[in-house]
Amino acid sequence: ILNVEQSPQSLHVQEGDSTNFTCSFPSSNFYALHWYRWETAKSPEALFVMTLNGDEKKKGRISATLNTKEGYSYLYIKGSQPEDSATYLCASLSTDKLIFGTGTRLQVFP
Amino acid sequence: EPEVTQTPSHQVTQMGQEVILRCVPISNHLYFYWYRQILGQKVEFLVSFYNNEISEKSEIFDDQFSVERPDGSNFTLKIRSTKLEDSAMYFCASRTDREIYEQYFGPGTRLTVT
Repeated sequence: ILNVEQSPQSLHVQEGDSTNFTCSFPSSNFYALHWYRWETAKSPEALFVMTLNGDEKKKGRISATLNTKEGYSYLYIKGSQPEDSATYLCASLSTDKLIFGTGTRLQVFP
Repeated sequence: EPEVTQTPSHQVTQMGQEVILRCVPISNHLYFYWYRQILGQKVEFLVSFYNNEISEKSEIFDDQFSVERPDGSNFTLKIRSTKLEDSAMYFCASRTDREIYEQYFGPGTRLTVT
């Protein structure tokens, strides 16, 4: 059974701080790693889908890296803003289903 | 931009009652999914559906659960006799047959069983 873990569970930072979260996943039978941003009462928003070892993806101030050999991914937010406050979920794709971590709840204070 | 929609946003029901959660996937999508998140726990896969058949289901998806695509647009999850432990946020997702890695999620239905 796949187990996806995320750390930390929650994070409180000041506006302007840079931050990063970790997602670890089993490296065997790897297909893809997803990062989602989820605000309450909204649809989880896909940030990145990564498939190749060494992948690095960037969207504005947010970037992610992937290491499939050791089974981890990092999500970085540069210069956090209050609107970045959300829960960040990672999920590993296993056959055709997503196995989620517990999420990291980020709170950015002005 | 097309999006997955779900209704209702919040459903309250009594234990033992049947509930139907509704989803309208993105129109050209062919693969459909239900996930749920019990408060404080991980989002869990329930079932995947393609070509009018269940492709895969989890251990959670027992005989009390069923899915249906009754017409060309809706995708429903029925819980026949709800239990307190069915209280959760239920998410629908869909994808095309080409973007095999990308599942698009709806905003969820919060089900509260009292």
